[in-house]
Amino acid sequence: DAGVTQSPTHLIKTRGQHVTLRCSPISGHKSVSWYQQVLGQGPQFIFQYYEKEERGRGNFPDRFSARQFPNYSSELNVNALLLGDSALYLCASSYRRSEQYFGPGTRLTVT
Amino acid sequence: LAKTTQPISMDSYEGQEVNITCSHNNIATNDYITWYQQFPSQGPRFIIQGYKTKVTNEVASLFIPADRKSSTLSLPRVSLSDTAVYYCLVGDRNTDKLIFGTGTRLQVFP
Repeated sequence: DAGVTQSPTHLIKTRGQHVTLRCSPISGHKSVSWYQQVLGQGPQFIFQYYEKEERGRGNFPDRFSARQFPNYSSELNVNALLLGDSALYLCASSYRRSEQYFGPGTRLTVT
Repeated sequence: LAKTTQPISMDSYEGQEVNITCSHNNIATNDYITWYQQFPSQGPRFIIQGYKTKVTNEVASLFIPADRKSSTLSLPRVSLSDTAVYYCLVGDRNTDKLIFGTGTRLQVFP
């Protein structure tokens, strides 16, 4: 079975630009969560979606938004990029809330 | 948010047993406790999950006391390839959000 997939693998953007990250969950998983992991720190929760509805949001500004599609894939959008948004963005899918399976991540570098 | 704390780092030698503890005194009542392994620039990899007492799988054991305010991941006979950062993941009782522990960097020496 395919695991969680994310695209792109790496991305370089300039301050002020917008970025869209994509995630496909494990087949049968209806929940997708997004995390930001800054170098040297643990993952920080951004969003959780279940059945296309937002079920949770972390302490991130409104520049961050996400959505989930009918096939349960998801997009994370970040507007007006700042240098501090440089991080590894992780997507996780789950059947049960606390049993999350993570994708390989998207490395975003903002210059 | 309540802190979910772990030792910053641990050293071990190949073949030894390693125990990593996570303190989560504000854990949500209904959530499981999950442990992950993470290598640099990769996503966390699921190791084991439990709700109470003891759980064992082919790679690790998880010990959870009755009050569930802590948990201990036990790795039997570690090898060099177990060098990684280990995180616990629990639900916070007040915010109902899942929170990662502070992470423990395990270094295994030959």
